[in-house]
Amino acid sequence: NAGVTQTPKFRILKIGQSMTLQCTQDMNHNYMYWYRQDPGMGLKLIYYSVGAGITDKGEVPNGYNVSRSTTEDFPLRLELAAPSQTSVYFCASRPRDLTAWASNSPLHFGNGTRLTVT
Amino acid sequence: GESVGLHLPTLSVQEGDNSIINCAYSNSASDYFIWYKQESGKGPQFIIDIRSNMDKRQGQRVTVLLNKTVKHLSLQIAATQPGDSAVYFCAEKGDSGGSNYKLTFGKGTLLTVNP
Repeated sequence: NAGVTQTPKFRILKIGQSMTLQCTQDMNHNYMYWYRQDPGMGLKLIYYSVGAGITDKGEVPNGYNVSRSTTEDFPLRLELAAPSQTSVYFCASRPRDLTAWASNSPLHFGNGTRLTVT
Repeated sequence: GESVGLHLPTLSVQEGDNSIINCAYSNSASDYFIWYKQESGKGPQFIIDIRSNMDKRQGQRVTVLLNKTVKHLSLQIAATQPGDSAVYFCAEKGDSGGSNYKLTFGKGTLLTVNP
């Protein structure tokens, strides 16, 4: 398994441009997440999805959109890029666990997309 | 709002010493906690977890301690090695509703191991 794959690894955008950050996982995980990580800070949840066709807002959803048309893919869309969106973006997934979170079903993270908006 | 934070943003230790990384959390309803390790240029990697009905859990060279009375979590790394140099994050999970699907992360501690 490749795990969680994010593309691109790096991107520079001009203010007002749009782009889609791609995320795909081959572990048949139901839950998928997008986090952003600002320098010296922890991860903030942008959006998450508990299954195909279902998405929900996290802590910092403004300026972003997501879709979940398949189990494997969870793209993050920036419509009008702003300097405040300069960050490292991480996608993560985990299997559905009807009982509770457990060490056999932790979050699996991709290696991130470093985005700079100038 | 609820938050998870760390006491020490940086920690420098000598190779072979034990390391202790601390984390304070504010949501008394959180029922599950995780420690992640993040190496430069990579995504966070799961280290160890603990449920709120436990106060200690051990892994290979790592131990997590949970003190619910003071809402404090710590990660102990025994015989720290240069490969342990990374940023360490604690994360918590709420116990109800939408919070049951999500982790809240702390800011992270940078651990540097000196040879």
